Amino acid sequence: GAVVSQHPSRVICKSGTSVKIECRSLDFQATTMFWYRQFPKQSLMLMATSNEGSKATYEQGVEKDKFLINHASLTLSTLTVTSAHPEDSSFYICSARRDRGTYGYTFGSGTRLTVV
Amino acid sequence: AQSVAQPEDQVNVAEGNPLTVKCTYSVSGNPYLFWYVQYPNRGLQFLLKYITGDNLVKGSYGFEAEFNKSQTSFHLKKPSALVSDSALYFCAVRDVGTGTASKLTFGTGTRLQVTL
Repeated sequence: GAVVSQHPSRVICKSGTSVKIECRSLDFQATTMFWYRQFPKQSLMLMATSNEGSKATYEQGVEKDKFLINHASLTLSTLTVTSAHPEDSSFYICSARRDRGTYGYTFGSGTRLTVV
Repeated sequence: AQSVAQPEDQVNVAEGNPLTVKCTYSVSGNPYLFWYVQYPNRGLQFLLKYITGDNLVKGSYGFEAEFNKSQTSFHLKKPSALVSDSALYFCAVRDVGTGTASKLTFGTGTRLQVTL
């Protein structure tokens, strides 16, 4: 079945530093990947949609320069939180959409980011 | 625009009893509908989806859902709940006509608590 690996699962960083989160599709090619943010006891908020080889499409209100997304290959997308602040602390989840015909969205296991 | 409503923040049920988690949706065209389950500090696990065909969809772990177009609902059900079913459940929708980069819109989630 489709598997998406997200790394790291937990990260603690100092305020002002940058953190990179990786999302890999292990057994399929993901033309499209999605990045979500989830606050405690809340739903998933879509941050951006990334397509391989092109610029990400950000949702309204999401800072492009703060949340850098790169989708360099069909199996890897990265989210970099730049100059992190405590308010960026959250649970970040990626999702990969398989090629047409499967309608499936596979989610990574999430990354708990804590900025101190 | 597409949206999903999960009217119940929490559903409590005794083990062995049937459970229902409610979901209603709104899309401009025909919907693709999904149910996911999330355990603490984990990503989302796929339960089932409705794309087309039979309105009753059977999924993982004994769960099923019924697509009702007239009521725009897609309630999740299980005939006999288990304590291990306790988790956070998300309903999601995608508009069929929104292309290959289409995104899912999630409901706010319903916490299912199954007790002995």
